This record gives sequence, C-alpha cells and structure tokens, in this order.
Amino acid sequence: GQNIDQPTEMTATEGAIVQINCTYQTSGFNGLFWYQQHAGEAPTFLSYNVLDGLEEKGRFSSFLSRSKGYSYLLLKELQMKDSASYLCAVRDSNYQLIWGAGTKLIIKP
Amino acid sequence: DAMVIQNPRYQVTQFGKPVTLSCSQTLNHNVMYWYQQKSSQAPKLLFHYYDKDFNNEADTPDNFQSRRPNTSFCFLDIRSPGLGDAAMYLCATSRDDGAGNEKLFFGSGTQLSVL
Repeated sequence: GQNIDQPTEMTATEGAIVQINCTYQTSGFNGLFWYQQHAGEAPTFLSYNVLDGLEEKGRFSSFLSRSKGYSYLLLKELQMKDSASYLCAVRDSNYQLIWGAGTKLIIKP
Repeated sequence: DAMVIQNPRYQVTQFGKPVTLSCSQTLNHNVMYWYQQKSSQAPKLLFHYYDKDFNNEADTPDNFQSRRPNTSFCFLDIRSPGLGDAAMYLCATSRDDGAGNEKLFFGSGTQLSVL
C-alpha cells in the first residue's frame, strides 16, 4: 500500500525554527508537495520538490531525499500566523497525489 | 482575481435530503477535483475531471455524483447524505501539461453538516 507519515502535532516558539518531517512509501515518485492549511480553510501551496536537495523560499525551505523516501519542511523565524496544519503529498508513478494527514503546528509566544 | 470559488461556505442538510455543492473557477484549468476532508485527516479524492473525462475513485460511494457542464463549473451531488458524510468538501483545479509538477489551487471549501 501507499503511505505518507508525518507527526500528528508539533509545538514551537515564536521566532524559533521548526522542522516538519515526512516519510513516504509510494509506487513510484513524481514529485513531493507541501501545503499549508489553516483551521477550517483550504490548503494553499507552499513548495514542490522533484530532485534531491533543498529548495528555499523565504522563511520556508523544503528538502527531499528520494533514496530515503524522506522530506522535511523547515520554517524559520516563526510567526503566530504560521500556526496551521502542514500537509505532505507525493505524486506516484500514475501521477496520483497521495496525501498525508498533516502535521498540526502550534506556535506559542 | 482569478480563483476557485465554492458555494456555499457552510451547508446544513438533513439526513437523506439531497444536497448539491458548487465550484467555479476563473483559472481556465483543465483539471478539476473534488476532495472530502474530515477533521485531522488527509484529503480524500472523490473524483476528478480531466477536461471532460470523468474519473471516479474506486472507493467513492455511489451516493456521490458529479457534473462538469463546462470548463468553469463543477458540481458535487450527494443523493442521500448520511451522518458519516459530514465533512469539508474541497474543490481544486490544476493545469495539467504533463510535467507532473502542477500544483493544486483550492477553493475555500464547503463545510457540510448533516442533521
């Protein structure tokens, strides 16, 4: 079966750095996405990785290791508005998008 | 602004009473999706349209139907809602150019309650 694993919940402090991990077992790989979802709202696109390495976009960075089936999302200089769920999704060999259940990130002052 | 619009934002229906959720897009994307998402769970794909081609997920109940009368609009019909169908329903679009890197644009979702 296909599976995406993320921690259910994480807590961090405003101004700090947090790393949200995602491991996947899928039938093939055609890219990994990270989405942000605030409570009661729709997911919004954060990043896309298809090659190994780090993609940096402002305060957010995403890393991929295809050989390890592993990705992380790194959030720097945390702000209260970063409190949200972060969803990892992988496109498999059939170009189907497999979603994780998301990591709920709680930011404390 | 170009966007994906879902109506209504909140929908309350009665057990067994048919309900229709709507989605429109101004992005001119060729692919439209309907997802069901329950609290703290991953979005679950119900079906998607690639242009006019309808693709039903194998485990989508027959109680769920969809229509896409044109590129801009897509509807989700729940013929006989049960208590287990209470969820957030998300419409999304993408432009599939075969590269595989297309991101999804989501509407604000419709939160369905079944009484």
